[in-house]
Amino acid sequence: AQSVTQLDSQVPVFEEAPVELRCNYSSSVSVYLFWYVQYPNQGLQLLLKYLSGSTLVKGINGFEAEFNKSQTSFHLRKPSVHISDTAEYFCAVSPSGYSTLTFGKGTMLLVSP
Amino acid sequence: DAGVIQSPRHEVTEMGQEVTLRCKPISGHDYLFWYRQTMMRGLELLIYFNNNVPIDDSGMPEDRFSAKMPNASFSTLKIQPSEPRDSAVYFCASSPGIRNTEAFFGQGTRLTVV
Repeated sequence: AQSVTQLDSQVPVFEEAPVELRCNYSSSVSVYLFWYVQYPNQGLQLLLKYLSGSTLVKGINGFEAEFNKSQTSFHLRKPSVHISDTAEYFCAVSPSGYSTLTFGKGTMLLVSP
Repeated sequence: DAGVIQSPRHEVTEMGQEVTLRCKPISGHDYLFWYRQTMMRGLELLIYFNNNVPIDDSGMPEDRFSAKMPNASFSTLKIQPSEPRDSAVYFCASSPGIRNTEAFFGQGTRLTVV
């Protein structure tokens, strides 16, 4: 079984500041890792994913994440946030090769002017 | 493609009533997933189908919940009878394959049981 921990339920940040949203996972098997974003009253949209290869993954909207196997982490970063990045962000894992996702509880990113 | 389409977007019903949520996956996708999102439990996988056949329904909370996929372009999630604790956002997602592919989510159905 897999589990995902997103330590921060809310992250307030000012516009143009950098941000890091933390994600840790546990699994007895190798996993794929994902970050999804949910804008208000919308479905989930994939930001980026790690399947294999380079541990630094670049996604849409200027986001990137780094897979750290020894620390079982997959933190999401953006060097300069915009107001429009205000949304809830979900980290998710699936057993390698499968689409059945286990999600974290989500982190609400609040960007203010 | 229009993406995964769910209906209705919002549903308010009284306790004890039957509720049916609908989903049209992306054409050509072989896998369909139903997730539930609540404040307490976050996003949970309820059930998923491959080629219209239920593969894993271990996430379905109770016998009051049932899901069907009569054909490749339509699935339903039914709750009978509904209870206030079923209030949540229910998401449908589809995927072209089970390996190395992402799931595409619909906009969800917000269910309120009063």
